Amino acid sequence: SQTIHQWPATLVQPVGSPLSLECTVEGTSNPNLYWYRQAAGRGLQLLFYSVGIGQISSEVPQNLSASRPQDRQFILSSKKLLLSDSGFYLCAWSVRYNEQFFGPGTRLTVL
Amino acid sequence: GEDVEQSLFLSVREGDSSVINCTYTDSSSTYLYWYKQEPGAGLQLLTYIFSNMDMKQDQRLTVLLNKKDKHLSLRIADTQTGDSAIYFCAETRPGTYKYIFGTGTRLKVLA
Repeated sequence: SQTIHQWPATLVQPVGSPLSLECTVEGTSNPNLYWYRQAAGRGLQLLFYSVGIGQISSEVPQNLSASRPQDRQFILSSKKLLLSDSGFYLCAWSVRYNEQFFGPGTRLTVL
Repeated sequence: GEDVEQSLFLSVREGDSSVINCTYTDSSSTYLYWYKQEPGAGLQLLTYIFSNMDMKQDQRLTVLLNKKDKHLSLRIADTQTGDSAIYFCAETRPGTYKYIFGTGTRLKVLA
């Protein structure tokens, strides 16, 4: 069966510090991978998606970046965090146009 | 525009039916989904409907699709306190791997 992992589960970082969130998927090959951000009390904002290794599509210009070094690994990064980067970050995977499956999320607080 | 709209809040009494509504924007959308998010967790797929269907029933859940009005609804029969959560509708469009999520409806079930 397929599973999706995210870590860390929670993170508190100072403004200006770097960020690295990791997402890994097990039990499937060549998935589409997605990063979303959910701000407090708001809907999901698609940040990045990837249809293959090294292929990243950015949806929102900002100080975040994403990388896919391996087929089932998706990393969200920042060189310098802003206060506005606080939120709940969700990773998801899908196969072709089928439904997405979400990870447990990482709650990021930037102070 | 790309907005998928939902009302923000819904409150019902335990045992009553809940109806959560969603208006989407693209008549060419292929699949439409309903996800549930419990506090502090990722999103869980509840059900989906293909765009050539009008209705789909799955135990206590009934999905209605009105393509003419681009209106999707989720009915939960015999609502329980465990149904309290945020419900998101989402659509996928042909030729893209993107999923467009609604703003989410927070359902509160009163005992």
